[in-house]
Amino acid sequence: GESVGLHLPTLSVQEGDNSIINCAYSNSASDYFIWYKQESGKGPQFIIDIRSNMDKRQGQRVTVLLNKTVKHLSLQIAATQPGDSAVYFCAERPGNQFYFGTGTSLTVIP
Amino acid sequence: EAGVTQSPTHLIKTRGQQATLRCSPISGHTSVYWYQQALGLGLQFLLWYDEGEERNRGNFPPRFSGRQFPNYSSELNVNALELEDSALYLCASSLWYRGSEQYFGPGTRLTVT
Repeated sequence: GESVGLHLPTLSVQEGDNSIINCAYSNSASDYFIWYKQESGKGPQFIIDIRSNMDKRQGQRVTVLLNKTVKHLSLQIAATQPGDSAVYFCAERPGNQFYFGTGTSLTVIP
Repeated sequence: EAGVTQSPTHLIKTRGQQATLRCSPISGHTSVYWYQQALGLGLQFLLWYDEGEERNRGNFPPRFSGRQFPNYSSELNVNALELEDSALYLCASSLWYRGSEQYFGPGTRLTVT
């Protein structure tokens, strides 16, 4: 089966610092990689995605980096805010399948 | 704009019974996805519907089934419930050409006793 893993289950950062959440994936055939955020008691919220033919994509305060050589994906959050505290999931999409990791819990310390 | 809605919020069933979960997508979204989120685990892809047809399913037994109606709403049926089916079931919707950008509902918490 697919394996989408996260390097750290928990991450704590100071408010205002940058956060980096890492993810390893296994399927070289994945054509999209996606990051979602899930706050307690809510469904996941789409953050950003990146196609497999790209290595970097930027959004509002977020940057996703894709390294296909080592099958690694990262999400960088600039100037982390208390509202960023949540569980972050990476996901990969090979064809018409979707595989999610188990999540990294980000805690922002005021 | 209304988001994805799911009903019921909570559902309690006994082993062997059937459960039906419902989902209404965002207006304009034709694709609906179902996921299972068991405690401590990531989201497990269950089913994908688009334009009334099943596009793909994850690695789940056939007792997990569903359908999509002409108005793009969807229901998930779980037959012969087992204790390990207890989980949060999430529905998501997307535009048909943006399957990576899914919008999730709040989920239905299914408890099997």
